Amino acid sequence: DAGVIQSPRHEVTEMGQEVTLRCKPISGHDYLFWYRQTMMRGLELLIYFNNNVPIDDSGMPEDRFSAKMPNASFSTLKIQPSEPRDSAVYFCASSLAGNSGNTIYFGEGSWLTVV
Amino acid sequence: GENVEQHPSTLSVQEGDSAVIKCTYSDSASNYFPWYKQELGKGPQLIIDIRSNVGEKKDQRIAVTLNKTAKHFSLHITETQPEDSAVYFCAASKGTYKYIFGTGTRLKVLA
Repeated sequence: DAGVIQSPRHEVTEMGQEVTLRCKPISGHDYLFWYRQTMMRGLELLIYFNNNVPIDDSGMPEDRFSAKMPNASFSTLKIQPSEPRDSAVYFCASSLAGNSGNTIYFGEGSWLTVV
Repeated sequence: GENVEQHPSTLSVQEGDSAVIKCTYSDSASNYFPWYKQELGKGPQLIIDIRSNVGEKKDQRIAVTLNKTAKHFSLHITETQPEDSAVYFCAASKGTYKYIFGTGTRLKVLA
């Protein structure tokens, strides 16, 4: 089975530009998560969806960040405008309710550098 | 809020030796404790997990122990191999999807 698929894998952009990160969860999974990983703050949950509905966005750092899930197989995380401090690895992950232990499966990540 | 502390931050062991990584959590309501392994350039992968109604769980060379009274849990890797070199993260949750992750342990297995 294909895992969580993220694109782009690497992105370098200039400060002020819009960045869109994309995610395709594992087929059949009903939970989708966006995490950010940095050396300073480790793995942080930004937002998660259940059945395409945002459940908890308390981790979204500020209004420059937005996430959408228009259907069960696609989600985006958008940063507009981007800033150098947004440089991080952004992980999408998915899970299936009722599986043994709320196991979360991560994608390979999108490495974002804002210069 | 919940806090998870993880130690050590780096760990070097000789191939064939055992490695132990320890985590402490603050919220006694936490009841699910997964461990993830992250290789360079990849996303974290679940390697083992334990629920609060179990004290120990094993999967081949990997084991996790949980002490609810002391609120700490540990990952044990026996007969370490070079491919075990990675960053390991512990996490805790209260049965929801809001995992609180530890800060990670970089394990180096020296051949």
